[in-house]
Amino acid sequence: ILNVEQSPQSLHVQEGDSTNFTCSFPSSNFYALHWYRWETAKSPEALFVMTLNGDEKKKGRISATLNTKEGYSYLYIKGSQPEDSATYLCAEYSGGGADGLTFGKGTHLIIQP
Amino acid sequence: EAGVAQSPRYKIIEKRQSVAFWCNPISGHATLYWYQQILGQGPKLLIQFQNNGVVDDSQLPKDRFSAERLKGVDSTLKIQPAKLEDSAVYLCASSARMDWKTGELFFGEGSRLTVL
Repeated sequence: ILNVEQSPQSLHVQEGDSTNFTCSFPSSNFYALHWYRWETAKSPEALFVMTLNGDEKKKGRISATLNTKEGYSYLYIKGSQPEDSATYLCAEYSGGGADGLTFGKGTHLIIQP
Repeated sequence: EAGVAQSPRYKIIEKRQSVAFWCNPISGHATLYWYQQILGQGPKLLIQFQNNGVVDDSQLPKDRFSAERLKGVDSTLKIQPAKLEDSAVYLCASSARMDWKTGELFFGEGSRLTVL
């Protein structure tokens, strides 16, 4: 994997259901993996920054896992609510190349009442 | 604590015109970033400042884009002349931690540019 890839591109979920989506990234020279939530007309907001293989982080109903050896991270949302509707971006810092975060294209999540 | 401020929020110009965006980061944040987000793509780093020095500008199209961060606080990003493909949201972000790779970024609401 040369780029940060996210799947699916978009997702419709019924209110109350749980969901998850994937971020894949180059596993060589890994340094850190970021997750951001971007609601329409607002600024992107950090959810998690993860650095260690096997890391699991949780914030309310949202949690994330990290596998640096195989190069993927999962984001889970339990009991989806309408306010969870947003674009979820993951981004990777690698030890080589440019210093900035490399972002995926995002997963656009729509929660249907 | 005030967030990252950006202006203008929206700008419509014709191709070959010029435009400037302004960013005021969170007070005390040493690292400042400008990202370009084209519709359907992820944000792409244009330039990163540490205080008033440039850390990385490898993806900045220097023939038409310029950025500065005077006195290590506010920053401006200028495009001259604009092309149709510059239509995008320009996001400014700042980070407090010296190890910027593990520090979360704080973003502004973005400046949406439409080039006609």
